Amino acid sequence: DARVTQTPRHKVTEMGQEVTMRCQPILGHNTVFWYRQTMMQGLELLAYFRNRAPLDDSGMPKDRFSAEMPDATLATLKIQPSEPRDSAVYFCASGLGTSGGNEQFFGPGTRLTVL
Amino acid sequence: QKEVEQNSGPLSVPEGAIASLNCTYSDRGSQSFFWYRQYSGKSPELIMSIYSNGDKEDGRFTAQLNKASQYVSLLIRDSQPSDSATYLCAVNLGNKVIFGPGTSLSVIP
Repeated sequence: DARVTQTPRHKVTEMGQEVTMRCQPILGHNTVFWYRQTMMQGLELLAYFRNRAPLDDSGMPKDRFSAEMPDATLATLKIQPSEPRDSAVYFCASGLGTSGGNEQFFGPGTRLTVL
Repeated sequence: QKEVEQNSGPLSVPEGAIASLNCTYSDRGSQSFFWYRQYSGKSPELIMSIYSNGDKEDGRFTAQLNKASQYVSLLIRDSQPSDSATYLCAVNLGNKVIFGPGTSLSVIP
């Protein structure tokens, strides 16, 4: 049963703390996306990778957010230091990146609350 | 103008009716279009992809694309209460996929 997995599913932390979210893409998928979803802003693209190389992170606040793919089976999104406005659901999605399309398959999300 | 626009709804239809969801996009160069369904508290789930002008049918779902009008729609026939969800339109812009704000659909038994 191929699916994207994310850990942790829920995270409550205090302002100023470091938060690391992890994603395991579907085996064989070469593209990984990080999104943030809030009621006000909807689904926002933060960063994405193809073949482990970062292609676009323009949606990410550079001073506090970082995204990496240390290997093909793991993508990480880190926030340091976290702020209450970072409270949101963070989704990872993976796909087979082609020039014709980007069908994406989403993980269950990490619900982050920063107090 | 936002890159991908949808009516936020909520759209309410009676059970058994046809639900029609609409999406417009700004970039004439877009080539790939997607519809995702998101139940409350869950992640988006891909339900349809369409790449060419015209209609594409999959079960009770039909996606319609008109590139000249920069318009893509999703029709749900014989709507069921289980179709109640938010429907997200997504459009390929260059190397990125941009999501619309979503339309909330409520199917009334």
